[in-house]
Amino acid sequence: RKEVEQDPGPFNVPEGATVAFNCTYSNSASQSFFWYRQDCRKEPKLLMSVYSSGNEDGRFTAQLNRASQYISLLIRDSKLSDSATYLCVASIQYGNKLVFGAGTILRVKS
Amino acid sequence: ETGVTQSPTHLIKTRGQQVTLRCSSQSGHNTVSWYQQALGQGPQFIFQYYREEENGRGNFPPRFSGLQFPNYSSELNVNALELDDSALYLCASSLAGSRNTIYFGEGSWLTVV
Repeated sequence: RKEVEQDPGPFNVPEGATVAFNCTYSNSASQSFFWYRQDCRKEPKLLMSVYSSGNEDGRFTAQLNRASQYISLLIRDSKLSDSATYLCVASIQYGNKLVFGAGTILRVKS
Repeated sequence: ETGVTQSPTHLIKTRGQQVTLRCSSQSGHNTVSWYQQALGQGPQFIFQYYREEENGRGNFPPRFSGLQFPNYSSELNVNALELDDSALYLCASSLAGSRNTIYFGEGSWLTVV
């Protein structure tokens, strides 16, 4: 079983749609969680950290459920520019080894 | 720009050869990590260096080795290359003990033929 599992997609959605990605992690010692965005043939870039209380950054909302070891990302009002691979990440210690999921592909179409 | 630079950006090697990839960390960052990302997969942790010492290693064989220099730049060396070593190799720098963002370089694309 992989430490971080994601639905690979692809998710094909129209502009303006709301889309949700889910992720589960197996290591209960994980303390820090993130969503990264990766464009084709580019490096991953931090989209947002994920906190137990949930956090929002514009059109993006992330949630963490430690009891279920489950992380989610909600994107509202999808834009063409949101098309990318979204990587779910867990870490036992901040700044230490990052454990990535395989990524979920999002394609937003006009 | 993340301030993390990697070289070379692309290279092709033959099976059995050796390769050295280089990374220049963001100024002031004393921790560097290397990741391997195969096609269609997420990045996999290779190892991390802190103040020139290895500080954690993933599930990679000993033919993957590294160095961190006093100026915090870093190298990843891979010996006896195999076809499955073909991947994007990513360097990430951060400041240990802080909650600052981890910054990735643009990566080195390695193709083994």
